[in-house]
Amino acid sequence: QKEVEQNSGPLSVPEGAIASLNCTYSDRVSQSFFWYRQYSGKSPELIMSIYSNGDKEDGRFTAQLNKASQYVSLLIRDSQPSDSATYLCAVKGSNYQLIWGAGTKLIIKP
Amino acid sequence: ETGVTQSPTHLIKTRGQQVTLRCSSQSGHNTVSWYQQALGQGPQFIFQYYREEENGRGNFPPRFSGLQFPNYSSELNVNALELDDSALYLCASSLAGTSGWTDTQYFGPGTRLTVL
Repeated sequence: QKEVEQNSGPLSVPEGAIASLNCTYSDRVSQSFFWYRQYSGKSPELIMSIYSNGDKEDGRFTAQLNKASQYVSLLIRDSQPSDSATYLCAVKGSNYQLIWGAGTKLIIKP
Repeated sequence: ETGVTQSPTHLIKTRGQQVTLRCSSQSGHNTVSWYQQALGQGPQFIFQYYREEENGRGNFPPRFSGLQFPNYSSELNVNALELDDSALYLCASSLAGTSGWTDTQYFGPGTRLTVL
C-alpha cells in the first residue's frame, strides 16, 4: 500500500515566524510532488510542485525534496494569519494517480 | 479561480438513491480526475478519464462510475447511495500528453453530498 504521511497537527506558529510542514512517502519511484492548501469547506489550491532534489522557492514558500530519504517539506516564511489552513501533500505514483496525505492543519497566531 | 466548475454545489439524497455530479474542465485540459474527500481526510482517488476513457481507478466499488464527453467535461455517477458516501466530491482537470502522463491538477470548488 503506497502511502503519504503527514502530521495532522494542529501546528501553531506565531505571525511572522517560519512554518515548517513535513511529508514522507513510501513509493520510491515517485517523481512528482505537490503541496496544496485547503481552507475549510473549500477545494485544494495548488501552492508548489517539485520534481528534483533540493529547494524550490516561490515568494514566501519554499519546497524541499529529498528522494533518498523519501521526504518533502514546505516552508512558509513571514507567516500571515491568512496562511491558516490545512496543507496537503500529494505524490504522483507510477500509475498517474495522486496519492494524498491527510493534511496538516496550520494555525498562525496574530 | 482555476476555471474548473462543478455542479451542483450541495446535494442531499437518501440512502439507496442515485446521484450524478458534473464537472467542466479548464480550457485546454483533456483529463479529469475525481476524488472523494471525507471530513478531516485527504482526497481519495476515485478514477481518471483521458480522451473519454477510464485511465486509472482507485479502490471504489463499481457503483461509482463515470463518463467523459468529447468536450472533456465529465460526470460522476453513484448508484445505491450509502451513508458513508457523504463527502466532498472533487473534480480536477489536467493536461496529459500522448503517454497519458499528467502533470499538475487543478480543482473545481467541489460538490458537498449528504446522504441521509
